[in-house]
Amino acid sequence: QSALTQPASVSGSPGQSMTISCTGTSSDVGSYNLVSWYQQHPGKAPKLIIYEANKRPSGVSNRFSGSKSGNTASLTISGLQAEDEADYYCCSHAGSATYVFGTGTKVTVL
Amino acid sequence: EVQLVESGGGLVQPGGSLRLSCAASGFTFSSDWMSWIRQAPGKGLEWVASIIPDGSEKYYEDSLKGRFTISRDNAENSLYLHMNSLRTEDTAVYYCTRDFVRRQGYWGQGTLVTVSS
Repeated sequence: QSALTQPASVSGSPGQSMTISCTGTSSDVGSYNLVSWYQQHPGKAPKLIIYEANKRPSGVSNRFSGSKSGNTASLTISGLQAEDEADYYCCSHAGSATYVFGTGTKVTVL
Repeated sequence: EVQLVESGGGLVQPGGSLRLSCAASGFTFSSDWMSWIRQAPGKGLEWVASIIPDGSEKYYEDSLKGRFTISRDNAENSLYLHMNSLRTEDTAVYYCTRDFVRRQGYWGQGTLVTVSS
């Protein structure tokens, strides 16, 4: 199973919006709504920020939103803040209770 | 408060074995899927294995089948990962996770496994 493709890095200024893409195939992202996104600060464990493509767990800022179209899922961060600087990973169900993660995106707040 | 505390990591020689443990608390452990996910130093996340609530079904990343075994003890609220024939490329932080793709998804802080001679 090949990793989902994400841009290696994205940067933006405070207050701006940015979108991170996560491209898979018809065997994973394209077939299931079980796409999730995780935020990971340096030296910390990942934290779930989006599940089932576009749902936010309680306690996660509404500045984070998710969507999916075809084989590509997207995470949008609006009103970028310094604390959003972190690594972001997508993950998709890939059939038969197996999962595949994205390559990861480093978000830099300028 | 949900807590997942991993233990059992450390330095092991290539070809060796190790058993990781995860102590769960703060939720009904026997009701949730549990998984192990790993992250090699400076690299991305990799799903390792998942186990259903009653432990009767287990799923593995293809390349790890036969070397890694996931198990659980619902009476002890514990999750395990048995790793055999370890290779240098298995060096990673191993995270214990609760239903990591669902609303209640939660990750432990991880335990570092280093495979080196």
